[in-house]
Amino acid sequence: DGGITQSPKYLFRKEGQNVTLSCEQNLNHDAMYWYRQDPGQGLRLIYYSQIVNDFQKGDIAEGYSVSREKKESFPLTVTSAQKNPTAFYLCASSIEKGTGYGYTFGSGTRLTVV
Amino acid sequence: GDSVTQMEGPVTLSEEAFLTINCTYTATGYPSLFWYVQYPGEGLQLLLKATKADDKGSNKGFEATYRKETTSFHLEKGSVQVSDSAVYFCALSDDKIIFGKGTRLHILP
Repeated sequence: DGGITQSPKYLFRKEGQNVTLSCEQNLNHDAMYWYRQDPGQGLRLIYYSQIVNDFQKGDIAEGYSVSREKKESFPLTVTSAQKNPTAFYLCASSIEKGTGYGYTFGSGTRLTVV
Repeated sequence: GDSVTQMEGPVTLSEEAFLTINCTYTATGYPSLFWYVQYPGEGLQLLLKATKADDKGSNKGFEATYRKETTSFHLEKGSVQVSDSAVYFCALSDDKIIFGKGTRLHILP
């Protein structure tokens, strides 16, 4: 079955470390997205990509970086510059940006700073 | 800019009660509208959608009608079950998808 796979499900980061969250899709979708979810704040867009080798900052990109070397993959790196990284991170994809088809989401990665 | 406002939770109901979760939107264009559901510890799942005015989206007993005149897309279900307990997000898609803050629903047996 087609879908989005996020790994790991739980991730622990020490202060000053960079960590990378994986997101892979086999839906042949062009657009991919990363959201951060904090309690009571809904979803906030970090980065998005419409095509390979191109990506755009979302509303809260500071302290994060992404790459889009393959259509199927859109990894997110949480850098040491992100001062409050503890959150639930969600990856999503869509056939194209801004369509009526909606997004397909992965099951999320919960990142905790220890 | 475009925005989505949905009723704050938590909403607590008894099993078999009627559910309404209000959602209103602001948009300059003609967006598609969605309801997503998130179960504990999981990602969001598309529950239903409507792409133009007066369309009704429906799935699993849930319904919502795209009301352009009132800029609303309220989610309804006639008889809720304990398994409906989750967080529900209203969203609109114009240039990109914009989500509401979510409404947590608790159903008591």
